[in-house]
This record gives sequence, structure tokens and C-alpha cells, in this order.
Amino acid sequence: GESVGLHLPTLSVQEGDNSIINCAYSNSASDYFIWYKQESGKGPQFIIDIRSNMDKRQGQRVTVLLNKTVKHLSLQIAATQPGDSAVYFCAEIGAGGYNKLIFGAGTRLAVHP
Amino acid sequence: EPEVTQTPSHQVTQMGQEVILRCVPISNHLYFYWYRQILGQKVEFLVSFYNNEISEKSEIFDDQFSVERPDGSNFTLKIRSTKLEDSAMYFCASNAEGDRYEQYFGPGTRLTVT
Repeated sequence: GESVGLHLPTLSVQEGDNSIINCAYSNSASDYFIWYKQESGKGPQFIIDIRSNMDKRQGQRVTVLLNKTVKHLSLQIAATQPGDSAVYFCAEIGAGGYNKLIFGAGTRLAVHP
Repeated sequence: EPEVTQTPSHQVTQMGQEVILRCVPISNHLYFYWYRQILGQKVEFLVSFYNNEISEKSEIFDDQFSVERPDGSNFTLKIRSTKLEDSAMYFCASNAEGDRYEQYFGPGTRLTVT
């Protein structure tokens, strides 16, 4: 079946350190993955995406890595800042072609000064 | 920057009552969605809507739920007879034709059923 999950529910880091948030998925047919950030009281905000024909994609201070062999996805945040504190969700586009997002359980990132 | 808006921000209703949650997607977007998030849990897909019809719906989206695009700007979610377990944050999202995978989410409506 389709499922996306996260390894760690909470990640605490010091400001300036790099953060790595992990995600496992079970549907080997998934071909599109997205990371969303959700701040308290707000809706999910798109961060970065990656297609299954790629293994790495970089954005501004963020990098997503995809390992299809073990069905693992990670989000790396460089030089983590207090404003990065939020819950991070990985999501996959479900089968059917109508862009249904299947979200994982979420990881809370807490950045300490 | 254009954004998805939702009203109200918080809705309190009694069990068995009907509620309508309203959304104004980004104006040139063609795909619309409703998701919900029960407190402390993950975001769950409810329904997608394209070309004035439902394109996909989840098991959660039963006969008590309906969606409508009554005019060129609003997109609504109706729950006919609310249950306690409908209490959640409801998010509307939309995306453009040429950007099919980047869904923009609204701030959500917190629905509390008492």
C-alpha cells in the first residue's frame, strides 16, 4: 500500500548546525516527493521537491536526497536558523494522476540558540 | 505574492449541525484540494477537484462531505451533519496547470465540534 513515514518525531539542533530530517516510503512506484514545512498555526509550505529520476536536488540552504534502493528520503538544512523551527513533512504524489499528496507523520525541528 | 485564503479561521459547531468551510484559491490555479489535520497528526487528503468535478476522494470523504465551486473564485467544503471526530484543521490547497505538483496551502480553518 501507499505509506510515507518518518524516523524521528523530534530533532533538536543548535543554531548554525546542519539538520538532517529523514523519511521512509513504502510505495516503490512513487515518482515524486516533496518536503513541506509547517509553522505553528499555519498551513504546510512547499520547500523542495525531487523526482524519482534524480538522487539529489539543492535549493537555498536545503538539499533533498533520494535513495530509491532503500526507499529513503532526507532533507538537509544547512546552517540551521531559529526561523527553521517547525514541523517538517515529507509527502509523495499518490497513484491516480490527480496530485493527491500522501503525507508522512512529521518531524518537529527545534533550533536552540 | 498571491496566496490561498480561508474563512473562517475558527469554527465552533454542535454535533449534527452543517458547516461550510470557504476557500479562495490562487486566481489562475485550476486544481483544488481539501486536506485535514487532526491535532498532532499528519495531514490527510480528503478530495481533489478539477474542471468542476471531483477527480479523487479519500475514504474519509463520505456522503456527509461535499465540495463546490459556486463561482469563479470560491471553493467550499460542506459537512452535512458534523461528528465529534470531524474536529480538525481543514486546509485548502491549489496548484496551477503548469506546476501540477507544487500545491499552495491556505492557513486552515480550525473546526471544533462540541
